[in-house]
Amino acid sequence: GAVVSQHPSRVICKSGTSVKIECRSLDFQATTMFWYRQFPKQSLMLMATSNEGSKATYEQGVEKDKFLINHASLTLSTLTVTSAHPEDSSFYICSAQGDYLQYFGPGTRLTVL
Amino acid sequence: DAKTTQPPSMDCAEGRAANLPCNHSTISGNEYVYWYRQIHSQGPQYIIHGLKNNETNEMASLIITEDRKSSTLILPHATLRDTAVYYCIVRVGTSYDKVIFGPGTSLSVIP
Repeated sequence: GAVVSQHPSRVICKSGTSVKIECRSLDFQATTMFWYRQFPKQSLMLMATSNEGSKATYEQGVEKDKFLINHASLTLSTLTVTSAHPEDSSFYICSAQGDYLQYFGPGTRLTVL
Repeated sequence: DAKTTQPPSMDCAEGRAANLPCNHSTISGNEYVYWYRQIHSQGPQYIIHGLKNNETNEMASLIITEDRKSSTLILPHATLRDTAVYYCIVRVGTSYDKVIFGPGTSLSVIP
């Protein structure tokens, strides 16, 4: 099946810094990618839909100025958590829309100290 | 909101079949039933999907009722590595619709 990668797999940063997470579709092109956040013992929560060449669409309650999404090519979307705080610590997962399936990345564990 | 309801947790003995139910009483005619699973601290993994016919692949079987209001995912011979949270999702198959996850079913395979 199609493969989606994320980098880094885990990151620890200080409060107030910004962190960039990359999501790549390795063997297919993805016009649409999605970003999710998952807190411990909870389900995945959709944050935003990322469309190549256009602005992302954010879900209600997600701050677009805090979670910057860029989808500059058909194989790469990035999520930047700006001015991260401890409450932003979470598991961030991206997915890419293939022909009829969504393929998920392995996730990025963000810890903000 | 998720369009499906699943039991929060289930246990299954290793080597036995695991039958995971899902209710989707408001499913539309053009919506497929998808199953994903998430092993702890990993991204969701696609298992199987179907429209109205029963489906089988190397991982599982999917049984969809005739009225399409419910379905069952069957893992024929559960192993310890099948311990995971299983998500039942309905969506239009070829669309770029976002996937909304419900709480899923936490399956524990017991030795």
